[in-house]
Amino acid sequence: EVKLLESGGGLVQPGGSLRLSCAASGFTFTDFYMSWIRQPPGKAPEWLGVIRNKANGYTTEYNPSVKGRFTISRDNTQNILYLQMNTLRAEDTAIYYCARRTGGDYWGQGVMVTVSS
Amino acid sequence: DVVLTQTPSILSATIGQSVSISCRSSQSLLDSDGNTYLYWFLQRPGQSPQRLIYLVSNLGSGVPNRFSGSGSGTDFTLKISGVEAEDLGVYYCMQATHAPYTFGAGTKLELK
Repeated sequence: EVKLLESGGGLVQPGGSLRLSCAASGFTFTDFYMSWIRQPPGKAPEWLGVIRNKANGYTTEYNPSVKGRFTISRDNTQNILYLQMNTLRAEDTAIYYCARRTGGDYWGQGVMVTVSS
Repeated sequence: DVVLTQTPSILSATIGQSVSISCRSSQSLLDSDGNTYLYWFLQRPGQSPQRLIYLVSNLGSGVPNRFSGSGSGTDFTLKISGVEAEDLGVYYCMQATHAPYTFGAGTKLELK
């Protein structure tokens, strides 16, 4: 059974940093692209970026809205996906989801990030 | 960025009624590899989005066959043939042809 479990969310002050984790199980992690998507309260989801699979060199691609502030990485020995978020702003407040594939065939339950003083 | 326009924004239906949701793209979603990366998701209240349809018309694993997707280029449709209570929630289309990948604003399906 495919499972994705995010962690690391919480309250952070503007300008602060946070690292989210997504523990993956039930599939061969290195075979798949992995995505981060966020959803502000009451709004549509926003794609943040993707890290490709082993066959594609684990390269990354980002939404320009977060490029330079957010970094996606993966630990393929522990099957964990990461999202490093720096210089956080109030508008980064959202539920953050990890998803398998660019097209999101499986999603985690999400983790809340609140940026506020 | 590609803009996906979903209509209607709110859809009221009775159980058993057939309904359709439109998703129109500001650019063609036909990729140079021949695929059209258009997806449909359902987000039930308090839950994560669940993928229903991939590549325009392919049913996701475990998704009931009352759901169907169609379309090409810039115009796409999700049809539910006989709404059931578990289908209530917000439906989103998403494109992954042109980066940054984008979602529509959503269509809320509610009971009439």
